[in-house]
Amino acid sequence: GDSVTQMEGPVTLSEEAFLTINCTYTATGYPSLFWYVQYPGEGLQLLLKATKADDKGSNKGFEATYRKETTSFHLEKGSVQVSDSAVYFCARGSGGSNYKLTFGKGTLLTVNP
Amino acid sequence: EAGVTQFPSHSVIEKGQTVTLRCDPISGHDNLYWYRRVMGKEIKFLLHFVKESKQDESGMPNNRFLAERTGGTYSTLKVQPAELEDSGVYFCASSQPGTGGISSGYTFGSGTRLTVV
Repeated sequence: GDSVTQMEGPVTLSEEAFLTINCTYTATGYPSLFWYVQYPGEGLQLLLKATKADDKGSNKGFEATYRKETTSFHLEKGSVQVSDSAVYFCARGSGGSNYKLTFGKGTLLTVNP
Repeated sequence: EAGVTQFPSHSVIEKGQTVTLRCDPISGHDNLYWYRRVMGKEIKFLLHFVKESKQDESGMPNNRFLAERTGGTYSTLKVQPAELEDSGVYFCASSQPGTGGISSGYTFGSGTRLTVV
């Protein structure tokens, strides 16, 4: 079935460090791919998305490229800030019309000043 | 616009008791979803409503879980009787009519943390 495997944390970085969180997905169908973020005490928020191969999603300095050949959607940011501390979830669309999400386990990121 | 509201935010109950979680979606959002994250595991799909109809309840773990959405507005998720393995965070999400939600992304609530002791 559909699944998403994401780098397990926790990840601890210093401010301005480079961030990569790896994510791979099962190659069934033509899923849309997503990164969601959960800040402390808040709900899940859509961070970025890509709907087809080679698309790049970007938001708030974060980027991820839909790589069909490697079934990957790695999240990157060139310079993290303390405010980026959160749990990050990779997800793929599932179901006939992509209406539901299959998530990875989440990666806790802590950025220290 | 107001977001997706869930309550309670936390609930601690004893094994065998009943708990009802509530979700108020964004007004006008026909699609409503329930998801659950058990500690340390993935967030898993439970079910999907379109208005008051259950479109997909394939993720519901067993018949101790009952979801309703009377009138196509708010939804409740009842667990009766609760077991220890039901502990986790229950998320609700909603999306606009017709799209299924993926293309525009859902709006999630903050979740209800359920602890069964």
